[in-house]
Amino acid sequence: DTAVSQTPKYLVTQMGNDKSIKCEQNLGHDTMYWYKQDSKKFLKIMFSYNNKELIINETVPNRFSPKSPDKAHLNLHINSLELGDSAVYFCASSQGQYNTEAFFGQGTRLTVV
Amino acid sequence: AQSVTQLDSQVPVFEEAPVELRCNYSSSVSVYLFWYVQYPNQGLQLLLKYLSGSTLVKGINGFEAEFNKSQTSFHLRKPSVHISDTAEYFCAVSLRNAGNNRKLIWGLGTSLAVNP
Repeated sequence: DTAVSQTPKYLVTQMGNDKSIKCEQNLGHDTMYWYKQDSKKFLKIMFSYNNKELIINETVPNRFSPKSPDKAHLNLHINSLELGDSAVYFCASSQGQYNTEAFFGQGTRLTVV
Repeated sequence: AQSVTQLDSQVPVFEEAPVELRCNYSSSVSVYLFWYVQYPNQGLQLLLKYLSGSTLVKGINGFEAEFNKSQTSFHLRKPSVHISDTAEYFCAVSLRNAGNNRKLIWGLGTSLAVNP
């Protein structure tokens, strides 16, 4: 049983396209996150949702839009993809915010060509 | 500004040797401290955490870390490493901000390479 699952695992797409990454957690957690990891392994928080409400929205282009249909899902939609969006995107979840362990998905490697 | 510094970006070590990965943070307020490991092509996994209590924390895979409040450090140690410990290690610090909410700050990571 995968605790935090993301799909797809790999995504190759052309500049200008719109794409979505899906995330689901079966841990019963109330908080979910999206992180971006660049080629130098630098990890940056993008969004945080608690009980389906947006808690953190870091400095991210508005081409990125998270959507949380319920507590177990947090999807990431990206419009007008750019070369600089190429990275690995991780979904994570935790019970409470930043005081407990976060469980990460396997990541989605996005390549924009 | 609040920050987390992992002092070594790369640490090469021979198998069965001891290792220490260093982490310092800048904050004077209540902190929770974490070490995560990322194996190649995988997501991050919690190694250990300090929330309160004993300053020596034991985690999975034989790792431990010591919280030193006076030196604002949380260094990760293992007395004898294996080839399978080759991975990226991230230190993270949960800090209470001005709005009394918590914010997680990540270090840039330390790449541990264990050689035979």
